[in-house]
Amino acid sequence: GAGVSQSPSNKVTEKGKDVELRCDPISGHTALYWYRQSLGQGLEFLIYFQGNSAPDKSGLPSDRFSAERTGGSVSTLTIQRTQQEDSAVYLCASSLGISVGQGRGYTFGSGTRLTVV
Amino acid sequence: RKEVEQDPGPFNVPEGATVAFNCTYSNSASQSFFWYRQDCRKEPKLLMSVYSSGNEDGRFTAQLNRASQYISLLIRDSKLSDSATYLCVVNIKQAGTALIFGKGTTLSVSS
Repeated sequence: GAGVSQSPSNKVTEKGKDVELRCDPISGHTALYWYRQSLGQGLEFLIYFQGNSAPDKSGLPSDRFSAERTGGSVSTLTIQRTQQEDSAVYLCASSLGISVGQGRGYTFGSGTRLTVV
Repeated sequence: RKEVEQDPGPFNVPEGATVAFNCTYSNSASQSFFWYRQDCRKEPKLLMSVYSSGNEDGRFTAQLNRASQYISLLIRDSKLSDSATYLCVVNIKQAGTALIFGKGTTLSVSS
């Protein structure tokens, strides 16, 4: 696609429920990143995927968080048993490759605003 | 010490003013540097890369001081449309490392 597409744009869920957030990166971009941004806070790295390599999961805050990327394209971030502190904007970004991303920056999607009530 | 630190502001300036933002980073192995702009309730967008020799893009000038681990962004002749949060971003010189974002500096330009 022309840009990074994320869905849903907004999600309200009850505490304890599971949620799935979707990211469709720019066509041809092999690197895909998930960040989250809590109100008034900076971007917190969660996980990234590069081609067929094992993902870097070092930023995932707990084992309730997981992500997968099927076919090297679309990615899904899953949060199990959501808690109120999970409320944030979840941003997905992509780049042509991790090295290109490091050198030229990322393109972000418009994010999913998650509210846990 | 946080990896990327910025003065959160807000910086409130009149139209036409010159304003400068500073950023420090803790890891001397950092290799690439950027400024991103984030409008309220929007995603961050790349404003400009920062090169060692300094670089300019219209009214925007970015400087890097590797010895002091310091990055700056200068905005001349501020416009109302420059109102946004400016994010300082670095990458560590390690293969396969995601970019690290500062919390941002908020700029408000008024008429």
